[in-house]
Amino acid sequence: AQSVSQHNHHVILSEAASLELGCNYSYGGTVNLFWYVQYPGQHLQLLLKYFSGDPLVKGIKGFEAEFIKSKFSFNLRKPSVQWSDTAEYFCAVINFGNEKLTFGTGTRLTIIP
Amino acid sequence: SQTIHQWPATLVQPVGSPLSLECTVEGTSNPNLYWYRQAAGRGLQLLFYSVGIGQISSEVPQNLSASRPQDRQFILSSKKLLLSDSGFYLCAWTPATPYEQYFGPGTRLTVT
Repeated sequence: AQSVSQHNHHVILSEAASLELGCNYSYGGTVNLFWYVQYPGQHLQLLLKYFSGDPLVKGIKGFEAEFIKSKFSFNLRKPSVQWSDTAEYFCAVINFGNEKLTFGTGTRLTIIP
Repeated sequence: SQTIHQWPATLVQPVGSPLSLECTVEGTSNPNLYWYRQAAGRGLQLLFYSVGIGQISSEVPQNLSASRPQDRQFILSSKKLLLSDSGFYLCAWTPATPYEQYFGPGTRLTVT
């Protein structure tokens, strides 16, 4: 069965610092990949997604992620974080032919002004 | 545009009481529907999903059940709640797999 690892459980950064959150999945094949974000008190919402094509995908609010198939990874990056990026971030993977989205355990990001 | 509703937003129930959480989706037809439980530090655990009316797949054997009486309605139930059922329950939909899912606002359930 598919599993998703997010090794950073809690990340604390100062504003303007660069961010990279790790995401690795276990089972290969054709996959679609997602990053979701949950701001305090808000719905879980889609940040960005990868289906095919350019492995570097750009999402909302200046976030981007790179799919490296050989490493089973889909790391999230942002060159300069803002206080408003404080949230919980979830990586998710779905295999073609499967109805189920598998989530990582999430990374809590705290930005210090 | 499509919207997803969940109610109630919060619920406090005693152990042994029944449960009914409702999720409805507007602006789409024949969505795939999902129930998740979110626990701190554990991510989202898929509980049930449905690809059509009356079709329910259970991912985790437990005290809960799900039903889909109408195309855009998904209900999470229990006959007798346990303390361990406390948590944050999220409903989600997708027009088709393997595409992104859209989440509702969630229900915070506290079993006392």
